[in-house]
Amino acid sequence: DQQVKQNSPSLSVQEGRISILNCDYTNSMFDYFLWYKKYPAEGPTFLISISSIKDKNEDGRFTVFLNKSAKHLSLHIVPSQPGDSAVYFCAATKDGHTGKLIFGQGTTLQVKP
Amino acid sequence: DGGITQSPKYLFRKEGQNVTLSCEQNLNHDAMYWYRQDPGQGLRLIYYSQIVNDFQKGDIAEGYSVSREKKESFPLTVTSAQKNPTAFYLCASRPSGTGELFFGEGSRLTVL
Repeated sequence: DQQVKQNSPSLSVQEGRISILNCDYTNSMFDYFLWYKKYPAEGPTFLISISSIKDKNEDGRFTVFLNKSAKHLSLHIVPSQPGDSAVYFCAATKDGHTGKLIFGQGTTLQVKP
Repeated sequence: DGGITQSPKYLFRKEGQNVTLSCEQNLNHDAMYWYRQDPGQGLRLIYYSQIVNDFQKGDIAEGYSVSREKKESFPLTVTSAQKNPTAFYLCASRPSGTGELFFGEGSRLTVL
């Protein structure tokens, strides 16, 4: 039972354009969502998060949008840079006390120069 | 530098052998976690510990064991009972009051 899904395994974008990575979830109890970036053979690094009481959170080139009615969140990267090429994981939790995160399968982003 | 150190980075073992992966953090975080990554499946939680001398099973704990004798250390033992142990293992910690996990560099275990 995949509670957090990233249905696009890969995405290719031209440098300078917008990258949009999508994530869907099934559990309406999730109240905190995060995006992580991962390079091969390294651990994921935290990018940005959003609480369920908000619908948007912005940090520099990264913006996360949350649509609770659709159980959907997206990560926008503008402008995309070649260094953004990595695997992006969305994660969700319904229990902030334990910090247990449920991860999606990941989307591989390639930004072409 | 503060961070999470996992060792070894690469490990090869014969089938049927137990193996222990090390995870050490100097971030003074109370909570620590072990995740496993397989191709196309994202990260799955094996075990987690919110405080010293206490730990809980995650979603895929079968065939694994952990201990939390010190705040800084959370070693994971992959036992011979784990049916498919070849994977990339990630340790993480979390500061109190936040939902963000900080990950180590990972350990890749290959069982031959």
